[in-house]
Amino acid sequence: GIQVEQSPPDLILQEGANSTLRCNFSDSVNNLQWFHQNPWGQLINLFYIPSGTKQNGRLSATTVATERYSLLYISSSQTTDSGVYFCAARGDYKLSFGAGTTVTVRA
Amino acid sequence: DVKVTQSSRYLVKRTGEKVFLECVQDMDHENMFWYRQDPGLGLRLIYFSYDVKMKEKGDIPEGYSVSREKKERFSLILESASTNQTSMYLCASKDRGHYGYTFGSGTRLTVV
Repeated sequence: GIQVEQSPPDLILQEGANSTLRCNFSDSVNNLQWFHQNPWGQLINLFYIPSGTKQNGRLSATTVATERYSLLYISSSQTTDSGVYFCAARGDYKLSFGAGTTVTVRA
Repeated sequence: DVKVTQSSRYLVKRTGEKVFLECVQDMDHENMFWYRQDPGLGLRLIYFSYDVKMKEKGDIPEGYSVSREKKERFSLILESASTNQTSMYLCASKDRGHYGYTFGSGTRLTVV
C-alpha cells in the first residue's frame, strides 16, 4: 500500500499564528484527504484534494500530485484548531493514514 | 446529520476474553471499516466490508474477525483479547462512489 509521511509530528502555536503541515506520499493517488481529530477523538473530514488547491475559511490545502505531496495551511490559528491532523491517501482500494501532526494552540 | 455510532466509549476487558465492538451507521452506506489508532502509527486498517456478509482483510487483521449481517451494522470481534490489542478503535462508513468517510467517536479498549 501507499506510504504516507507527515511532518512535523508536533506543533505548538500561539493563538493567531499561521502554520503549514506537510504530507508526503509514496505513489500515485486517486484520493487524498485531510482529517482533523479533536481532543475528544472525533475525526472530521477537512478536505478531499487529490490535486489542486482548496480553501475553507481559515484552512486551505494544496496537493501537487506530480511531486507527491500535500500541504495544509492554518491561518490565524485558534484554540479550537488544536488536535491531531491526519493526511490519508488512497491508491488502490484502501485509505492509508499518516502518523498525524499534533497541533496545540495556546491562548 | 449522518451518524456512525460505536456502542462503547471506554471498555476494559481481561486477557483471553472474547470482545465485541459494535458499530452502527444510519446513512445506508455500502462500505464500512474498522481501524485501530496507536500513538505514532496513525490509523491502521483492520478489516473492511463493501456489502452485507462481505469482508476483506486490511493491513493488520491478525487476532480479529468481523461480522456484517445487516447493512447498517459492522462488528469487530477479538476472539481472545491480548494486552497488545489495547488501543483506540475507530469505525467508519462511506458511500460507494463517494470520497467522504464518516467516523464514529471511537472505543478506547484496555485489555488487562
